[in-house]
Amino acid sequence: SQQGEEDPQALSIQEGENATMNCSYKTSINNLQWYRQNSGRGLVHLILIRSNEREKHSGRLRVTLDTSKKSSSLLITASRAADTASYFCATADYNNAGNMLTFGGGTRLMVKP
Amino acid sequence: KAGVTQTPRYLIKTRGQQVTLSCSPISGHRSVSWYQQTPGQGLQFLFEYFSETQRNKGNFPGRFSGRQFSNSRSEMNVSTLELGDSALYLCASSLFSISTGTSTDTQYFGPGTRLTVL
Repeated sequence: SQQGEEDPQALSIQEGENATMNCSYKTSINNLQWYRQNSGRGLVHLILIRSNEREKHSGRLRVTLDTSKKSSSLLITASRAADTASYFCATADYNNAGNMLTFGGGTRLMVKP
Repeated sequence: KAGVTQTPRYLIKTRGQQVTLSCSPISGHRSVSWYQQTPGQGLQFLFEYFSETQRNKGNFPGRFSGRQFSNSRSEMNVSTLELGDSALYLCASSLFSISTGTSTDTQYFGPGTRLTVL
């Protein structure tokens, strides 16, 4: 079963604009991760934020985490056509000792040149 | 360093057959996880292996099984294939941390095996 919802399900923007995607989850977590997937191919790890962190940056990516609301957001600044992909959040359950990830439904991002 | 590799990349089978998919993790990675991706159910966790032992298992029927070898390579098997098993099967590996004695959190995914069941 999926952990939660991603919002929006689809997003279309112009190159240079910022893209914001949101993710909600249901359980207590150890960490939350964001992945990118290009057209039915493998997932590429973007960023990991731990439950005791509130914000993290990596290049043009900014991730926030609000554990009280059980939500996270991914911001891509100055988007490029190459950012066109599906983006997924995934959570590692606090009560699970292994590497089991629960994924959201994903946001399909299209960046128009 | 080579990434996670999965073979075969594409597979077509008929209902009732069985299939074995293979995954070679990144060198030094001991944890291997398998996920199924379908348009209807999204990405769902199948199972995880660490040092040849199944550490976690998702909510899939017993037709889905897996194993891990001493070199950390993993295989998953689906018996008595059904049409609904058509999916992209993704394998992911994570690094073994000597300091913590377990695997780290970041998972590296392979390109997947696309299975079509006719």
